[in-house]
Amino acid sequence: DVVMTQSPLSLPVTLGQPASISCRSSQSLVHSDGNTYLSWFQQRPGQSPRRLIYKVSNRDSGVSDTFSGSGSGTNFTLKISRVEAEDVGVYYCMQGTHWPPFTFGPGTKVDIK
Amino acid sequence: QVQLVESGGGVVQPGGSLRLSCAASGFTFSGYGMHWVRQAPGKGLEWVAFIRSDGSIGWYANSVKGRFTISRDNSENTLYLQMNSLRGEDAAVYYCVKGTRDFDNWGQGTLVTVSS
Repeated sequence: DVVMTQSPLSLPVTLGQPASISCRSSQSLVHSDGNTYLSWFQQRPGQSPRRLIYKVSNRDSGVSDTFSGSGSGTNFTLKISRVEAEDVGVYYCMQGTHWPPFTFGPGTKVDIK
Repeated sequence: QVQLVESGGGVVQPGGSLRLSCAASGFTFSGYGMHWVRQAPGKGLEWVAFIRSDGSIGWYANSVKGRFTISRDNSENTLYLQMNSLRGEDAAVYYCVKGTRDFDNWGQGTLVTVSS
């Protein structure tokens, strides 16, 4: 199984400042079809998860352009260019290249300093 | 717009059974694979099961294999999860999720509590 790790697990941030979350996989997420199936999800307190980014860097419709995804192979990053109060929550990366199983990272809790 | 509405959660004794349902609308249900993903209280996300768009085959996490069965009724736009031999560690919010590799839409979840 592909193991997903994230760092940090807790990220206190200042409003208006940037934030960055790292996600690493235990093996390359490049699929034989050429795509890299790495997604990012946001879970606000008391809500269901919501997908923000798919295939490493594609932002979902309605997602603020302050969110961006990057990376390749086994190393990936989610960046928030300017943190807003509504960005508080837990962020998960997930791989969909080598399944079953689909595997999630442990989550990074973002809150305001 | 896509809507996924789970139901069927509740309190069940260890060793008991429960069937979850997910009513889908706003998209062509029969055209998409579907997942169940769970989240134990205060914990992270765990993929549980996936079923192909035509319902012909399902895949399972090792933790539930042999105890849970995923199925669907494309005529009723409904996804199911039959859960047997439930254990304490199965207690979680269960989410219905659309898409094979996409996970692009999630339901609000239904809570399963396993307690004697």
